[in-house]
Amino acid sequence: GAVVSQHPSWVICKSGTSVKIECRSLDFQATTMFWYRQFPKQSLMLMATSNEGSKATYEQGVEKDKFLINHASLTLSTLTVTSAHPEDSSFYICSARDSGGAGELFFGEGSRLTVL
Amino acid sequence: DAKTTQPPSMDCAEGRAANLPCNHSTISGNEYVYWYRQIHSQGPQYIIHGLKNNETNEMASLIITEDRKSSTLILPHATLRDTAVYYCIVRVGFYNQGGKLIFGQGTELSVKP
Repeated sequence: GAVVSQHPSWVICKSGTSVKIECRSLDFQATTMFWYRQFPKQSLMLMATSNEGSKATYEQGVEKDKFLINHASLTLSTLTVTSAHPEDSSFYICSARDSGGAGELFFGEGSRLTVL
Repeated sequence: DAKTTQPPSMDCAEGRAANLPCNHSTISGNEYVYWYRQIHSQGPQYIIHGLKNNETNEMASLIITEDRKSSTLILPHATLRDTAVYYCIVRVGFYNQGGKLIFGQGTELSVKP
C-alpha cells in the first residue's frame, strides 16, 4: 500500500529552538497533506491543511506564525515548530491525499517532539 | 460533517468477533462512514469505509443500518494485535472539501487472551 514517511520519528530539543518535521509521500503524489497534533490520551487534532504551491490553511486556534508549513513539492510537506516550548511537546502526525488515485488518505507514523 | 458517538472502551476475548458500534444520527445522504484505527504511538491506519451498503475487506466488515444512522465495525476473529483505538468518522467523500478527516474520541478496544 501507499507509504507516507515522517522524519524524524522522535526529536528532543531545548526550549526556544526551532524544529522541522518532514512528511513525504513515497510512491504517490499528494497535492494536499494534513498535519495533526496528539497529546497523551487524547484524539488527533487537525492543525492545518497543506496545499502544494500555496499557503497552508490553519484550523481555528492554531498559530500560523508558530507552526510554519511549507509544501514545496508534490511529495514533501514540512512543519516547523518555531521557538518551541515545553507545551509544544506532542505527537505530530501527517497524512497525505493520493492525488492520482481515488483520493485516499494515508498517514505517516508520527513524530514525537519533546521540548526540554 | 456529521458527529459520531462511540463507546469510550470495549473488551473482547482473543479469537472472538469484536463488534464496535457507532452512532451517526445526523448523517447526510452524501456522507460516507470511515473507520480508522490507531495502535499506540503509531499513525492511524485505514480499515474500511462505506456509503449505504455493507462492506467487507481482508481486515473487517462494515454493517450500516438501513436508515444509515448507525453502523458496526466487525473484526471477525480479534487478535491481541487488534488492540487499538478505533475511530468512526462520517464525512463527504475524499474528493470533496479537501479530504480532511476530523477525529472524535474513538473506542479503545482491548483484546484479552
